[in-house]
Amino acid sequence: EAQVTQNPRYLITVTGKKLTVTCSQNMNHEYMSWYRQDPGLGLRQIYYSMNVEVTDKGDVPEGYKVSRKEKRNFPLILESPSPNQTSLYFCASSRTGLNTEAFFGQGTRLTVV
Amino acid sequence: AQSVSQHNHHVILSEAASLELGCNYSYGGTVNLFWYVQYPGQHLQLLLKYFSGDPLVKGIKGFEAEFIKSKFSFNLRKPSVQWSDTAEYFCAVKTYNNNDMRFGAGTRLTVKP
Repeated sequence: EAQVTQNPRYLITVTGKKLTVTCSQNMNHEYMSWYRQDPGLGLRQIYYSMNVEVTDKGDVPEGYKVSRKEKRNFPLILESPSPNQTSLYFCASSRTGLNTEAFFGQGTRLTVV
Repeated sequence: AQSVSQHNHHVILSEAASLELGCNYSYGGTVNLFWYVQYPGQHLQLLLKYFSGDPLVKGIKGFEAEFIKSKFSFNLRKPSVQWSDTAEYFCAVKTYNNNDMRFGAGTRLTVKP
C-alpha cells in the first residue's frame, strides 16, 4: 500500500531538548516536504527536498533542519525546540513536476513545554 | 509569490443544505489545483484535483469543483451536505516552475444533523 509514514504521532517535549520526527515513503517519490499546520494559517512549508542530498528552505524554516540521505526518508530535526514550535506537522511526498498529487503522512502533534 | 485565499473561515450548515467554498489563487501561469479534506484528528486526504481539460472536476463523496481561469478561482461545491462532511477543507495550488504546493488557510465546515 502506498503510504507516507510519520513517527511519532504525538510528542510532548521540553524546551531545548533535541528531537527528530521521522518520515518515510514507499512510492519512490523524488519530492518530499514538511509542513506545519496552525489554526487560521493553513499549512506552511518548512523545508522541501527535490531528491537525495538536495534540500531547500520553505516559508518557515527557522528552528528546523532536515536531511535527505536516502530517497525514502526525510527526517525533520528540531535542535532546540521552543514553545512556538508547538504545532501539527505533516510530511508529504510526490513525484516532481506538474500533474502529480501529494501524499500526506498521518501527522505529528508536537507540544513543547 | 503565489498565494491562495479561502474566503470562509468557518461555515455552518444544516444537513441537506448546498455547499460552496471559495478559493482564489494569485499565480498567473499553469497550475494544478487541489482540494484536500481533513476530518477531525486525521491527516489530509485528496478530495479532487484539476490538472487540465474539463474545468468541472468531480471528486469523492459527491464533491465537485470548477476551475474558472479568468477569475483565478477553484470553488468547491456539494449539492447536499451530510453530517459526516464536518471537516476542514483546504484549497491548494501547485505551479509549473516549482513543486511547492501552496495551501489556503482552510475552511472549517460544521454540518448540523
